[in-house]
Amino acid sequence: KAGVTQTPRYLIKTRGQQVTLSCSPISGHRSVSWYQQTPGQGLQFLFEYFSETQRNKGNFPGRFSGRQFSNSRSEMNVSTLELGDSALYLCASSFNINTEAFFGQGTRLTVV
Amino acid sequence: AQKVTQAQTEISVVEKEDVTLDCVYETRDTTYYLFWYKQPPSGELVFLIRRNSFDEQNEISGRYSWNFQKSTSSFNFTITASQVVDSAVYFCALSEARNAGNMLTFGGGTRLMVKP
Repeated sequence: KAGVTQTPRYLIKTRGQQVTLSCSPISGHRSVSWYQQTPGQGLQFLFEYFSETQRNKGNFPGRFSGRQFSNSRSEMNVSTLELGDSALYLCASSFNINTEAFFGQGTRLTVV
Repeated sequence: AQKVTQAQTEISVVEKEDVTLDCVYETRDTTYYLFWYKQPPSGELVFLIRRNSFDEQNEISGRYSWNFQKSTSSFNFTITASQVVDSAVYFCALSEARNAGNMLTFGGGTRLMVKP
């Protein structure tokens, strides 16, 4: 059974640009969550989608957005990139609510 | 608001030593879930265990064991006879049932270094 797949693995972008990250959850999982990991702030929750609906949202500016498609694949978008957006972005999939989350290897975004 | 504290930022042990990673949590919810994850250098978070707030039984899985105590709001993780492959960052996390989802609040992590 394939795990959570995130693409791309690495990205370098310039300040002011926008970026889209993709996540394919484990087959049959309906929940996809996104997290940002930085040395200073640790692991922080961005948002969660369940059956194409946003269920929870973390404390991030509106520049961070996401969506989930009917096949459960999810994308997150960051507009007007700032240097501080440089981080490892992790996607997690879960079969249902309040179940264990399985993480992908992440996308490492560097903003220059 | 929910909070998870891992007071030990870094622990160094010699192979075959036992080591305990501490986790203290705060929540106002009566139904919640506790997790431990391992993050090796590759970056992926590896799921280790999930515990619900109504199950205080200790859990053992091979060299790993977990001690959940609601009275002290702690969910500690012990590795017995540590090995070099156990070197990683370990995260404790909390999910509250009232969020009706899978939103995890993570602790700051404990970096474990096991020396040969």
